Amino acid sequence: DVKVTQSSRYLVKRTGEKVFLECVQDMDHENMFWYRQDPGLGLRLIYFSYDVKMKEKGDIPEGYSVSREKKERFSLILESASTNQTSMYLCASSTSGGAETQYFGPGTRLLVL
Amino acid sequence: AQKVTQAQTEISVVEKEDVTLDCVYETRDTTYYLFWYKQPPSGELVFLIRRNSFDEQNEISGRYSWNFQKSTSSFNFTITASQVVDSAVYFCALGGGYQKVTFGIGTKLQVIP
Repeated sequence: DVKVTQSSRYLVKRTGEKVFLECVQDMDHENMFWYRQDPGLGLRLIYFSYDVKMKEKGDIPEGYSVSREKKERFSLILESASTNQTSMYLCASSTSGGAETQYFGPGTRLLVL
Repeated sequence: AQKVTQAQTEISVVEKEDVTLDCVYETRDTTYYLFWYKQPPSGELVFLIRRNSFDEQNEISGRYSWNFQKSTSSFNFTITASQVVDSAVYFCALGGGYQKVTFGIGTKLQVIP
């Protein structure tokens, strides 16, 4: 079974803090993705990575950065957290190729105060 | 640009009723993939099905069935004899010949005992 894990299920941070969300997959997948999920908006892609050290912006990259130093690990960084970044963050991974099935982690609910 | 429309934001049914979740998509790609995911209250998206644009055969898996109609750009999902455990948010998604996938906003299904 594909296993995608995220470092925290719940996180509470203060405005202005630097926040790291970690994602690890154990299936040797090339692609990894970060989404945020908000009510009424569905899932929106923040960034994705198709290889180590490679990244591409998704639909809403502003205020976020990512890091992929190892194939199995993909980190999402909020450089200076703001209240409008309070959301559910979902990580996913897939094999390479076009529109392959993405497998999701359990999500991190982030609250920025 | 790709677009996925799930017009039903919330549906309530009584247990054992059949329910159909609608999904309409827009794409200019000739090769594309359609997905359905289930998100139970625990939060993790669970993959249900992936279908490519060249395969219009309907699919049945237990109580779940999918109806793909290219002529109407629809990929509807039916649950037969619904159960309380089917209560979740269901997402339809569309991918082209690249890694990015576009998700609909989701349909929240509540099955009442």
